Amino acid sequence: NAGVTQTPKFQVLKTGQSMTLQCAQDMNHEYMSWYRQDPGMGLRLIHYSVGAGITDQGEVPNGYNVSRSTTEDFPLRLLSAAPSQTSVYFCASSYLMGRANTEAFFGQGTRLTVV
Amino acid sequence: GENVEQHPSTLSVQEGDSAVIKCTYSDSASNYFPWYKQELGKRPQLIIDIRSNVGEKKDQRIAVTLNKTAKHFSLHITETQPEDSAVYFCAASKANTGNQFYFGTGTSLTVIP
Repeated sequence: NAGVTQTPKFQVLKTGQSMTLQCAQDMNHEYMSWYRQDPGMGLRLIHYSVGAGITDQGEVPNGYNVSRSTTEDFPLRLLSAAPSQTSVYFCASSYLMGRANTEAFFGQGTRLTVV
Repeated sequence: GENVEQHPSTLSVQEGDSAVIKCTYSDSASNYFPWYKQELGKRPQLIIDIRSNVGEKKDQRIAVTLNKTAKHFSLHITETQPEDSAVYFCAASKANTGNQFYFGTGTSLTVIP
């Protein structure tokens, strides 16, 4: 049981480049999400999904796209990287138990630097 | 939307002393309040959580209290140890929003041996 697997762990991009951060979970969780973590700002939600084929915007969605074609995978795409997107990115997943909230399991994180 | 404030941003305690971290939230409909611990360079991991139908919950040296009227909740760590040194995040969420969490800005706890 690998839990939540996130790749890559480190990435350096040039301004304007695009890339995809991968996230996969093997716990059959319905809910998956992407956060960015910046110093002094906690974890801010970028996009989330409550199931395959369903995605929605979080707090800071601009410059990012997501898709959820399967229950297991939830990739995050940076369309045209900007220095403001330099951050640590975490993918997280959890069960949706009816209407009750449950523990979120996080991936190992991706440290992205845009130069 | 929900706004979660967390204090203090940094906290240093002597080994064996207690540590308290406080959070307030703005949305009275929030009903689930987890606490996450993040060690340096690692992923956040849940250490304790509380739901709005409970006022207090304990797990060994860790406890969380919730005051729904005042809309604040606190993390209490007793008999602190050096391995408790980490960044702690509180969060709030509510039913019918999937599992959308609103996180506090984090508290960096240092336990001095």
